[in-house]
Amino acid sequence: AQKITQTQPGMFVQEKEAVTLDCTYDTSDPSYGLFWYKQPSSGEMIFLIYQGSYDQQNATEGRYSLNFQKARKSANLVISASQLGDSAMYFCAMREGGNNNDMRFGAGTRLTVKP
Amino acid sequence: ETGVTQTPRHLVMGMTNKKSLKCEQHLGHNAMYWYKQSAKKPLELMFVYNFKEQTENNSVPSRFSPECPNSSHLFLHLHTLQPEDSALYLCASSHLAGGPYNEQFFGPGTRLTVL
Repeated sequence: AQKITQTQPGMFVQEKEAVTLDCTYDTSDPSYGLFWYKQPSSGEMIFLIYQGSYDQQNATEGRYSLNFQKARKSANLVISASQLGDSAMYFCAMREGGNNNDMRFGAGTRLTVKP
Repeated sequence: ETGVTQTPRHLVMGMTNKKSLKCEQHLGHNAMYWYKQSAKKPLELMFVYNFKEQTENNSVPSRFSPECPNSSHLFLHLHTLQPEDSALYLCASSHLAGGPYNEQFFGPGTRLTVL
């Protein structure tokens, strides 16, 4: 069963504006981590931001912030002041607790920043 | 070199060839992973190694054979592949396998084409 859902196959944003990329997840494990990765056309997956299930505050890393709504099981990525270099695929991922080695990825959202 | 490196970056092979993909991490991590990324499909975990021991084989066909001689190096040996095996193969590493808190760092990937 799909555990990570990204409903936006593609998104467009104007340069310097903010954009929100949606991610919902499904788990019954109380301990889990949520991750966002950026994949430019070069192929490398670049780690952006992490949110733990027990974290009380939303994670922030520079222009990236994670809007974590635990009850809704959503972990949306917010990119502020978009730049042309932000154009890429963005993947949401989740890893559950215990000895589970599996990091589940969503299908991704292709973000295009327009000048 | 820093981070996670993969060679070759591009590989074209026939169905009867034998080739190997190499991954090296310079992060002092103990866990390494192979992922397959096909077009229009979520990232698929193939193998996990933790302290050189394979801890996960996600029902991968035997024509893919991993090898982890030490915590810094990971290989994927390929033989008798099919055209549907054409994909981007990504290597990743993390401090430890398992648990929700270990973010994975990815290499640039090997773009494999099977003719």
